[in-house]
Amino acid sequence: GAVVSQHPSRVICKSGTSVKIECRSLDFQATTMFWYRQFPKQSLMLMATSNEGSKATYEQGVEKDKFLINHASLTLSTLTVTSAHPEDSSFYICSAGGQGDLSYEQYFGPGTRLTVT
Amino acid sequence: GDSVTQMEGPVTLSEEAFLTINCTYTATGYPSLFWYVQYPGEGLQLLLKATKADDKGSNKGFEATYRKETTSFHLEKGSVQVSDSAVYFCALTPYNNNDMRFGAGTRLTVKP
Repeated sequence: GAVVSQHPSRVICKSGTSVKIECRSLDFQATTMFWYRQFPKQSLMLMATSNEGSKATYEQGVEKDKFLINHASLTLSTLTVTSAHPEDSSFYICSAGGQGDLSYEQYFGPGTRLTVT
Repeated sequence: GDSVTQMEGPVTLSEEAFLTINCTYTATGYPSLFWYVQYPGEGLQLLLKATKADDKGSNKGFEATYRKETTSFHLEKGSVQVSDSAVYFCALTPYNNNDMRFGAGTRLTVKP
């Protein structure tokens, strides 16, 4: 149980275009989902926390108009990188928060590598 | 706020050597503690966890004990293999929520 998928696993897009990354909890309902960004050889940086049906809470320094997060259902959250630039190239990881007795835990997706050319 | 500090890498060991990666935490209350492993080009995989003091998490020969008196959760393995080469992250979630805090990560390379 507690499987989280991400799609696509890799994406290459041209500068100025937008790209959407999907994060799905496959076998449980996730009230809360998290989006992280990881630069090469660094730790995960939390970008935002999204709760189903409400606006995401962004961490300081993360542009909410550039990184659009939608959590429209209990099993799907999306991250859209708008007007992407090469500096947006990174590894993006989502996670879903556990429920009930496992509410202290997060379940991580496999990540999406974005390359902006 | 709550945070995690783990030993700087990289760590290079020979196969069958003993591994210790230190992790200490700062937290109010009783956090839950985790070790994650990240293989090249992949996402994070939960390696083990502990949710209360004196709990020992173990998996695949790795183990870590939640030590409240020393606020530590050191990762150990008695005999590492080449396939253990990866980056290891110590993490915590504060008491009563899942807002996860990560250490910087420690890159382990095991040579044959």
